[in-house]
Amino acid sequence: ILNVEQSPQSLHVQEGDSTNFTCSFPSSNFYALHWYRWETAKSPEALFVMTLNGDEKKKGRISATLNTKEGYSYLYIKGSQPEDSATYLCALYGNKLVFGAGTILRVKS
Amino acid sequence: NAGVMQNPRHLVRRRGQEARLRCSPMKGHSHVYWYRQLPEEGLKFMVYLQKENIIDESGMPKERFSAEFPKEGPSILRIQQVVRGDSAAYFCASSPQTLNYGYTFGSGTRLTVV
Repeated sequence: ILNVEQSPQSLHVQEGDSTNFTCSFPSSNFYALHWYRWETAKSPEALFVMTLNGDEKKKGRISATLNTKEGYSYLYIKGSQPEDSATYLCALYGNKLVFGAGTILRVKS
Repeated sequence: NAGVMQNPRHLVRRRGQEARLRCSPMKGHSHVYWYRQLPEEGLKFMVYLQKENIIDESGMPKERFSAEFPKEGPSILRIQQVVRGDSAAYFCASSPQTLNYGYTFGSGTRLTVV
């Protein structure tokens, strides 16, 4: 059974701050790690899919890293903007996609 | 490309009635997944289907819940004899293959049992 922990549970930052949150997993027995952004009243949107230890992905101001040996992935947002406010979900794919509880990000202008 | 289409968006059912939730996957996607979000909880896996096959239903409650993805038409999640505890948001997602692709989610169906 895949176990996915995300921290912090919520985060409030000022516009322009850079921030990061963590997805941790005790077992690396999975094929891929996904990150999703879920804005209020919308559906989750895939950000990154990472499969290899040491993978780094970047999309605009958002980037992610994966360390399967130490059991974590980080998501970074550089220069947070109010439109980045959302819940960020980490998920592990073994034989199905198992989601963590998410980190709620609020960016104040 | 219309994405993943779910309907209805909102569904109200009385206790004991049946609820049918529909999901049309994104064009070209052959894998369909259903997730449930209970109030104050995250997304919980229910079932994974391919055309005419249930691949993994380990997250489905043993009774009253069933899912199908027929050769023609949308995937259907069916809940018989609904109870108040079934009130939740039900999300459908699809993908073209399982490993290197993120899922595309629909907007969800909010089921309220009164």
